[in-house]
Amino acid sequence: AQSVSQHNHHVILSEAASLELGCNYSYGGTVNLFWYVQYPGQHLQLLLKYFSGDPLVKGIKGFEAEFIKSKFSFNLRKPSVQWSDTAEYFCAVKGNTPLVFGKGTRLSVIA
Amino acid sequence: EAGVVQSPRYKIIEKKQPVAFWCNPISGHNTLYWYLQNLGQGPELLIRYENEEAVDDSQLPKDRFSAERLKGVDSTLKIQPAELGDSAVYLCASSPPWGPETQYFGPGTRLLVL
Repeated sequence: AQSVSQHNHHVILSEAASLELGCNYSYGGTVNLFWYVQYPGQHLQLLLKYFSGDPLVKGIKGFEAEFIKSKFSFNLRKPSVQWSDTAEYFCAVKGNTPLVFGKGTRLSVIA
Repeated sequence: EAGVVQSPRYKIIEKKQPVAFWCNPISGHNTLYWYLQNLGQGPELLIRYENEEAVDDSQLPKDRFSAERLKGVDSTLKIQPAELGDSAVYLCASSPPWGPETQYFGPGTRLLVL
């Protein structure tokens, strides 16, 4: 069965710092990859997705993610975080089973 | 365009009582999902509907949980009787036939069982 691992439970950054959140999955076949974000008090929203093609995917609000097939990874990056990026971030993978989510990484951005 | 609507947003009940959650997906979305999200965890699929047919309910605890989507639009998830361990957020999501891989989530119902 496929699984998703998010390495960081809680990340604390200062504004303007660079962000990288790790995501690894276990499935050897073709995958669709997603990052969802949940801002405080709001519902899950799609940040970006990868289905095929260019492994570097750009999403909303300056986020991007890189699919590295050899490493089974789909890490999320942002060069300069803002206070408004404070949220919970979920990586999700769809292989031959329904969408599987990681446990999430809580990002706190401080001024 | 309206998003996925769920009600109620919060529910507090005593154990052994029944509870029901309602979801109305985005218009035109034929696939509907119910997820369970425990504190500190990612969402876990309970059941998936394609129109009115439940095509994946392997993770639904059928002894106490039931769901229906009679007309292929809105859906109800029921727990009877509720247990303390059922305290969680219940999320509904939907996806369209022209882009089934991407799911759109509702705000969820936060259930507390006392």
